[in-house]
Amino acid sequence: DTGVSQDPRHKITKRGQNVTFRCDPISEHNRLYWYRQTLGQGPEFLTYFQNEAQLEKSRLLSDRFSAERPKGSFSTLEIQRTEQGDSAMYLCASSLLPYSEAFFGQGTRLTVV
Amino acid sequence: RKEVEQDPGPFNVPEGATVAFNCTYSNSASQSFFWYRQDCRKEPKLLMSVYSSGNEDGRFTAQLNRASQYISLLIRDSKLSDSATYLCVVRLDDKIIFGKGTRLHILP
Repeated sequence: DTGVSQDPRHKITKRGQNVTFRCDPISEHNRLYWYRQTLGQGPEFLTYFQNEAQLEKSRLLSDRFSAERPKGSFSTLEIQRTEQGDSAMYLCASSLLPYSEAFFGQGTRLTVV
Repeated sequence: RKEVEQDPGPFNVPEGATVAFNCTYSNSASQSFFWYRQDCRKEPKLLMSVYSSGNEDGRFTAQLNRASQYISLLIRDSKLSDSATYLCVVRLDDKIIFGKGTRLHILP
């Protein structure tokens, strides 16, 4: 499968625990995006990378959230000290060019209990 | 004003009907435009790009009016399998900006 892949698909964690998600973009895509989506809402932008550089972060991305893309390939999104409000679908997308279509992974559904 | 606005929905239409979705965007410098489809609890999937000249893919027709900053999607002869949320997406430089989506229910 040469699409965007995300791992894990589902994560249930207790409040206060740390979680880390992984995204593997389409191999030739140098742009990688993280979004968060809650029920009934469109995806909300969190952050994006061009190669290994993190070029923009949303104000939604509190200091409990950190993302990396160390070698310009896969990316990780870590949430520290999770809160119930962090429960959402976390989507990763990649694209080749700044104005081209983006392709999404299947998402990681996080439930904080 | 929101960057991308869509009809709030939901739309409940009988099978075989024609459905039209509307979308407006606020930044006139926006460069590219897309419609995505999202099934319940799944990821958004690209349905079609939208070009100024208009484009068609089977039962789906997309239109872009740059002067009015307006994008549309028309689905003809709707099928039960068209039931989903339709997301209007605008790209500006490296940004990908989503509307909230319009949910469509096709009724048998």
